[in-house]
Amino acid sequence: GAVVSQHPSWVICKSGTSVKIECRSLDFQATTMFWYRQFPKQSLMLMATSNEGSKATYEQGVEKDKFLINHASLTLSTLTVTSAHPEDSSFYICSAALGAGPPTDTQYFGPGTRLTVL
Amino acid sequence: SQKIEQNSEALNIQEGKTATLTCNYTNYSPAYLQWYRQDPGRGPVFLLLIRENEKEKRKERLKVTFDTTLKQSLFHITASQPADSATYLCALIQSGGGNKLTFGTGTQLKVEL
Repeated sequence: GAVVSQHPSWVICKSGTSVKIECRSLDFQATTMFWYRQFPKQSLMLMATSNEGSKATYEQGVEKDKFLINHASLTLSTLTVTSAHPEDSSFYICSAALGAGPPTDTQYFGPGTRLTVL
Repeated sequence: SQKIEQNSEALNIQEGKTATLTCNYTNYSPAYLQWYRQDPGRGPVFLLLIRENEKEKRKERLKVTFDTTLKQSLFHITASQPADSATYLCALIQSGGGNKLTFGTGTQLKVEL
């Protein structure tokens, strides 16, 4: 149980185009979903927290107009990287939690999406 | 500034030995600390959670300790196996921070035959 999928697993795009990444909780309903970015040899950095039906909360330094997050249902959140540039190339990982708390709620992570912007 | 530090160098050990990984933090007051395993090109997988008022937690071959005075957590894998080879991440949940995780950079463990 508690499986989270991401699609696509990898994507290559040209600079200036937009890319959408899907995150789905397959066998549970996720009130809260998180989006992380991980550069090589670095830690996961939280980009934003999204709750179903409300606007995402972005971390400091993350441009909300560039990284559009939609959490339309309890099983689906999408991250759209708009006007992607080579510096946006990274490993994007989502996670899903059963509730908005308590903190002991385990976050279940997706397998990640490798984005390469040429 | 706030930091979560893990050994950046890979840890190589022999099969059957105990692996010990370290997580040190600065300028945090974590209510919870978690350990995750991450394989190359994959998302992290949750292993253990320990609360600030707990000293030690065990799960099968895994043991985690949490010393809030030293601001350190140790992660042990006993009777290590080649299949344990992966990167291990510690992550903090700050007091009053909801369920927001802040990750360390991870330590790569290699278990050799």
